[in-house]
Amino acid sequence: AQKVTQAQTEISVVEKEDVTLDCVYETRDTTYYLFWYKQPPSGELVFLIRRNSFDEQNEISGRYSWNFQKSTSSFNFTITASQVVDSAVYFCALSEANRGAGSYQLTFGKGTKLSVIP
Amino acid sequence: DGGITQSPKYLFRKEGQNVTLSCEQNLNHDAMYWYRQDPGQGLRLIYYSQIVNDFQKGDIAEGYSVSREKKESFPLTVTSAQKNPTAFYLCASKTRTGNTEAFFGQGTRLTVV
Repeated sequence: AQKVTQAQTEISVVEKEDVTLDCVYETRDTTYYLFWYKQPPSGELVFLIRRNSFDEQNEISGRYSWNFQKSTSSFNFTITASQVVDSAVYFCALSEANRGAGSYQLTFGKGTKLSVIP
Repeated sequence: DGGITQSPKYLFRKEGQNVTLSCEQNLNHDAMYWYRQDPGQGLRLIYYSQIVNDFQKGDIAEGYSVSREKKESFPLTVTSAQKNPTAFYLCASKTRTGNTEAFFGQGTRLTVV
């Protein structure tokens, strides 16, 4: 069974600080996919990034960066120079590879609520 | 514009009533999902469907029912058997491969009064 753990329930930072959201996952598959989603107060989950298990290159997109380390089963998310608009709940998710009649379902962590204080 | 539409945004139910939450997508996605979100619990899978006329129970299916008569639509019925239905419900859709992201609707907040 797959599992995603986001140990940080809530984080508060002052605007312009950097913040890292942790994500640790468990899976028995060698091929799998990891995702991060943002849930603003409006409620809709917004897709941020996808990473497959064969690609351990870190990725940067503007103020966002992701660090994927298979050795520690982690896929951490860093926001540089945080802004008030970054305040949201962030979810890490895991999907295992094609299993024919399998479910392709996403397993989510419990989320980390980030509050950026002006 | 392509996307997923959930309705209503807010729903109030009296105890003992069944209510149906609507989810429609025009993304031509085969797979659709219903999740329940409670504070501090993350998203838990209720039901999912990979193709029309087929659906499977997720982790917390008791007290819920679904149908998938059309590719675009995946309504969720919260029955009176669901003991604690007050929650935020999210519908999602995706292609039938593991490496694609899911697209989510804006959610329905259900409250039992």
